[in-house]
Amino acid sequence: DAGVIQSPRHEVTEMGQEVTLRCKPISGHNSLFWYRQTMMRGLELLIYFNNNVPIDDSGMPEDRFSAKMPNASFSTLKIQPSEPRDSAVYFCASTANVGGTEAFFGQGTRLTVV
Amino acid sequence: GNSVTQMEGPVTLSEEAFLTINCTYTATGYPSLFWYVQYPGEGLQLLLKATKADDKGSNKGFEATYRKETTSFHLEKGSVQVSDSAVYFCALSVTGGGNKLTFGTGTQLKVEL
Repeated sequence: DAGVIQSPRHEVTEMGQEVTLRCKPISGHNSLFWYRQTMMRGLELLIYFNNNVPIDDSGMPEDRFSAKMPNASFSTLKIQPSEPRDSAVYFCASTANVGGTEAFFGQGTRLTVV
Repeated sequence: GNSVTQMEGPVTLSEEAFLTINCTYTATGYPSLFWYVQYPGEGLQLLLKATKADDKGSNKGFEATYRKETTSFHLEKGSVQVSDSAVYFCALSVTGGGNKLTFGTGTQLKVEL
């Protein structure tokens, strides 16, 4: 398996534009997580899905953020409209729904909003 | 709720020095404990884990023991190398929570020659 695949690796966009980040989890994994990493706030869990259903979105900062998982092999995180303070590295991770199982992370998308 | 506290960084060591990064946790139920490492420009990757009390996780010369009595999972390495320079994250997950990971804030390690 190629691991968790995120795209794009880098995104530069202007304030006010819509941004869509994509994630393909490892085949067979039941849970998918979206994290945001910044110098100021460290690693924050935004939302996670179990069997394609959103379980906890309490970490989503504002209504500008939305996430979907239409099937077991694909998820998106959308920011609309984007703002400079959304600049961060966004990570997707997946894990099998078995106790003690590790999470596998993608390489992240570095988002810069100017 | 669940939380993880780890020592603040950055930690700067000379090559071959002994490393300890402290990690303590609070959790409902019986968590599994993890150390993840993040090298510059990369995602997090699992370094080691322990799933029950008194288990010792080990990998690449790093070790950590699950201490239920002190709710700790300190990371140690006897002799660090320059290539160990990275950010280290302590984390826990509780079975039944979809394996949701709760992370500490991360500790940056810099190893110098």
